Amino acid sequence: KAGVTQTPRYLIKTRGQQVTLSCSPISGHRSVSWYQQTPGQGLQFLFEYFSETQRNKGNFPGRFSGRQFSNSRSEMNVSTLELGDSALYLCATRSGIDTEAFFGQGTRLTVV
Amino acid sequence: AQSVTQLDSQVPVFEEAPVELRCNYSSSVSVYLFWYVQYPNQGLQLLLKYLSGSTLVKGINGFEAEFNKSQTSFHLRKPSVHISDTAEYFCAVRPNSGGSNYKLTFGKGTLLTVNP
Repeated sequence: KAGVTQTPRYLIKTRGQQVTLSCSPISGHRSVSWYQQTPGQGLQFLFEYFSETQRNKGNFPGRFSGRQFSNSRSEMNVSTLELGDSALYLCATRSGIDTEAFFGQGTRLTVV
Repeated sequence: AQSVTQLDSQVPVFEEAPVELRCNYSSSVSVYLFWYVQYPNQGLQLLLKYLSGSTLVKGINGFEAEFNKSQTSFHLRKPSVHISDTAEYFCAVRPNSGGSNYKLTFGKGTLLTVNP
């Protein structure tokens, strides 16, 4: 059974650009959550999607957005990149309401 | 709202020694508790979880944790560590009300370094 797949694994962008990250969940998983991991702030929740609907949102500016497709794949977008957006972005997927979340290997975003 | 405090940012130990990584949490509602491990340049892997029942929880790789509701703690232990246990360990909580609120709140992490 394939795990959670995040693409790309590494990304370098320039300040002011925008970026799109992708997360393909484990087959049958309908929930996708996104987290930002930085040395200073640690792991912070961005948002969760379930059946194409955003169900929960963390405390991030509107530059951070996401969506989920009918096949449960999810994308997150960051517009007008800032240096502080440099981080490891992790997605976690799960099959139902009260089940554990499985994490992908993350996308390492560097903003220069 | 929930918060998680991992009391040690770094824990160095020698191989085959026992280790305890400490985690305290604060929450206005009942929570589920988790420990995750992260190896360099990798995502998070679930070690163990406490949902209900016995307060001593056994996980993968020989790790176990004990839930103490009165002290709001969920410390992780291993009786004998290996070099391969070197990694960062994260304690996390989420409300146990289920439904739509599946937001994990993480501690800052504890870097476990096992020396030969």
